[in-house]
Amino acid sequence: DVKVTQSSRYLVKRTGEKVFLECVQDMDHENMFWYRQDPGLGLRLIYFSYDVKMKEKGDIPEGYSVSREKKERFSLILESASTNQTSMYLCASSQTTVEDQPQHFGDGTRLSIL
Amino acid sequence: QKEVEQDPGPLSVPEGAIVSLNCTYSNSAFQYFMWYRQYSRKGPELLMYTYSSGNKEDGRFTAQVDKSSKYISLFIRDSQPSDSATYLCAMSGGTGGFKTIFGAGTRLFVKA
Repeated sequence: DVKVTQSSRYLVKRTGEKVFLECVQDMDHENMFWYRQDPGLGLRLIYFSYDVKMKEKGDIPEGYSVSREKKERFSLILESASTNQTSMYLCASSQTTVEDQPQHFGDGTRLSIL
Repeated sequence: QKEVEQDPGPLSVPEGAIVSLNCTYSNSAFQYFMWYRQYSRKGPELLMYTYSSGNKEDGRFTAQVDKSSKYISLFIRDSQPSDSATYLCAMSGGTGGFKTIFGAGTRLFVKA
């Protein structure tokens, strides 16, 4: 089974702090994704990466950056946390093949910015 | 108009009922269709994955895709209280899986 592990289940930070969310997958997947999930808005893609050191903006990249130094690890960085970044953050990974492969998710990090 | 529309519910049914969950979409390029189940305080878990039109069955779950109507369904037979969760539909269009669009989810309650 695919295992996507997010380092923290719950995190409380203060406005203006730099926040790091870590994600590790154990299936040698090429693609990794960061989403945020808010009630009524569903999943919104922040950034994704299709290879080491590669990154692409998703639909809502403002206020975020990412880092992928190793294939199995994808980090989301909130440069200066703000209260409107309070949310559930989900990491996912998928394999690159001729056919689209489904994404597999971690259990999420519930982040509160005070 | 959203690319994917999904009724948020909540949908409440008695144990043993047949549940029908649905999504409509607007982009005819979508070819891969997925259903995820998300329990409270957990990440989405892949339930069903289908390509193009047709039916796919897995135990008590059946996924149905009608590309001509741009309509997908998930049926749950003999529903159990453990099926209580939020169900997300998702679809992608052959772009290497990078662009997957998710529905907002339908919250399902199965009462014992």
